[in-house]
Amino acid sequence: GAVVSQHPSRVICKSGTSVKIECRSLDFQATTMFWYRQFPKQSLMLMATSNEGSKATYEQGVEKDKFLINHASLTLSTLTVTSAHPEDSSFYICSAREYSGELFFGEGSRLTVL
Amino acid sequence: GQNIDQPTEMTATEGAIVQINCTYQTSGFNGLFWYQQHAGEAPTFLSYNVLDGLEEKGRFSSFLSRSKGYSYLLLKELQMKDSASYLCAVNNAGNMLTFGGGTRLMVKP
Repeated sequence: GAVVSQHPSRVICKSGTSVKIECRSLDFQATTMFWYRQFPKQSLMLMATSNEGSKATYEQGVEKDKFLINHASLTLSTLTVTSAHPEDSSFYICSAREYSGELFFGEGSRLTVL
Repeated sequence: GQNIDQPTEMTATEGAIVQINCTYQTSGFNGLFWYQQHAGEAPTFLSYNVLDGLEEKGRFSSFLSRSKGYSYLLLKELQMKDSASYLCAVNNAGNMLTFGGGTRLMVKP
């Protein structure tokens, strides 16, 4: 099946710094990618929908200036957490939609902000 | 608005059968997914239903009734490795995927 690669899998950073997470579709072109956040023992919460070549659509309550999303190509979307704070510590997961409509998830990135 | 309900936790015995229910109310409907998620890992795809009826895939089956806004995931011949969270997710008319809260299944010997 299709593969979506997410990097880094784990990152620890200091409060106030920025962290970039990459999401790549390895063997298919993804016109749409999604970014989710998952807190412990909770389900996935959609943060934003990223369309190649256009601005991301953010869900209500998600600060677009804090969570910068760039979808520069059909195989790459990035999420940058700017000025990270401890409350941003979470599991961030991307997913990519193939032309058939099937959705594939990345491996997830665990962010810890000290 | 979107509302997807599933039980928070379930416990079952190895070798048994368990059914995880999911009810939904969404703005439009364009398919329902079931995912399995082990702790600390990303979800993995189990099934996709867009038409009413039962879809069987090995030990796992998924059922959908669009008129009732209801689905279930059936796991047969439970194994210890089936202990995980099971997420019901609905694709709405705008092709946005909304997840339920997930059901944590614990399989006991």
